[in-house]
Amino acid sequence: LAKTTQPISMDSYEGQEVNITCSHNNIATNDYITWYQQFPSQGPRFIIQGYKTKVTNEVASLFIPADRKSSTLSLPRVSLSDTAVYYCLVVPPYNTDKLIFGTGTRLQVFP
Amino acid sequence: GAVVSQHPSWVICKSGTSVKIECRSLDFQATTMFWYRQFPKQSLMLMATSNEGSKATYEQGVEKDKFLINHASLTLSTLTVTSAHPEDSSFYICSARGQAPRAYEQYFGPGTRLTVT
Repeated sequence: LAKTTQPISMDSYEGQEVNITCSHNNIATNDYITWYQQFPSQGPRFIIQGYKTKVTNEVASLFIPADRKSSTLSLPRVSLSDTAVYYCLVVPPYNTDKLIFGTGTRLQVFP
Repeated sequence: GAVVSQHPSWVICKSGTSVKIECRSLDFQATTMFWYRQFPKQSLMLMATSNEGSKATYEQGVEKDKFLINHASLTLSTLTVTSAHPEDSSFYICSARGQAPRAYEQYFGPGTRLTVT
């Protein structure tokens, strides 16, 4: 499983766009990039998954450059409720293996 | 989406006693479930992989005789912390993997807060 590197923490203010970058230099050809969100004292929640270019859903956008060695999770116009830890994971096709979580990025949104 | 529940959501027990935590997939069958432990301000640490009808596979450093895992049905896995000690106090989270054709999706439970006094 490819190792991922993310900033330990980030601060933002309500209404701003937040971009969290994840490095995964050893990503395999068929691996997908998946992001989870975790609120305090709760289990992680799936946010978004992508393979290349750009993926967008109702929660976030995921940007993946052509070399796929990094990815950026973009949260538009964050609110206080977006304060959480965000984990970037690189997973093999069909996610049939165990998930190994890295350190994650602790996002704090201020009013 | 698929729902995974855990029971209890929190438990306090005395040192030396055993505690059982249940993980259920409510609206789908899960051939594989995973158990994680999370200490404050830290990431999730995978403890073991639980497959229905077979013995669990433990990660390196996890004591299988202390953390007993049973996956007796396609919707239920249990984690029993035996002879619990204060250092076992943690947040325990399970996840469940669906069956084909959605075997690539994993769903997490809400977690169980264990406090050993």
